[in-house]
Amino acid sequence: SAVISQKPSRDICQRGTSLTIQCQVDSQVTMMFWYRQQPGQSLTLIATANQGSEATYESGFVIDKFPISRPNLTFSTLTVSNMSPEDSSIYLCSLTSGGDNEQFFGPGTRLTVL
Amino acid sequence: GQNIDQPTEMTATEGAIVQINCTYQTSGFNGLFWYQQHAGEAPTFLSYNVLDGLEEKGRFSSFLSRSKGYSYLLLKELQMKDSASYLCAPEGGGYNKLIFGAGTRLAVHP
Repeated sequence: SAVISQKPSRDICQRGTSLTIQCQVDSQVTMMFWYRQQPGQSLTLIATANQGSEATYESGFVIDKFPISRPNLTFSTLTVSNMSPEDSSIYLCSLTSGGDNEQFFGPGTRLTVL
Repeated sequence: GQNIDQPTEMTATEGAIVQINCTYQTSGFNGLFWYQQHAGEAPTFLSYNVLDGLEEKGRFSSFLSRSKGYSYLLLKELQMKDSASYLCAPEGGGYNKLIFGAGTRLAVHP
């Protein structure tokens, strides 16, 4: 399976600032995904990021708040803009790999907004 | 709409067998994933079922009935390290789009 890394692994940020999270994969993948997991909750899909096209956002998520870049087949970024304490979550990138359509997750970025 | 239902918590004894059920309603269903998530860690892929029936993978097996909107994860020979949350995630509303249930927190005790 692909090896996925995320930076930063955790951060504490001030209200009103923005944070960009990086997701790096050791192989080329077409589809990458960004999820959020709020404290004590399950995962919620934010958007799908395909290389060469605009990200597709799920209901409740907008590009102005969560801009995404996908400059090549091994890298993506998610920015959490104008943060508030409600944005405190774990943010995870994932991708599909393998012949069985398995979806794997990065280690996550734990964000705390004060 | 989308709806996923699985028990919130379960407990079991080391060495025993436990079955975690999941019922779902999603549009455009393709298949169903199960993940294991230890506290503070990312989810780990366990299984992916597309066809009806049972798929066995070591101590873990997963079953799917597409017509009933039902799946279960079967864990055999439970070990203490199996204490974790187990997430049912149907793939629906688009290729590779996973919708996660709230998860079942399993506690394995000696």
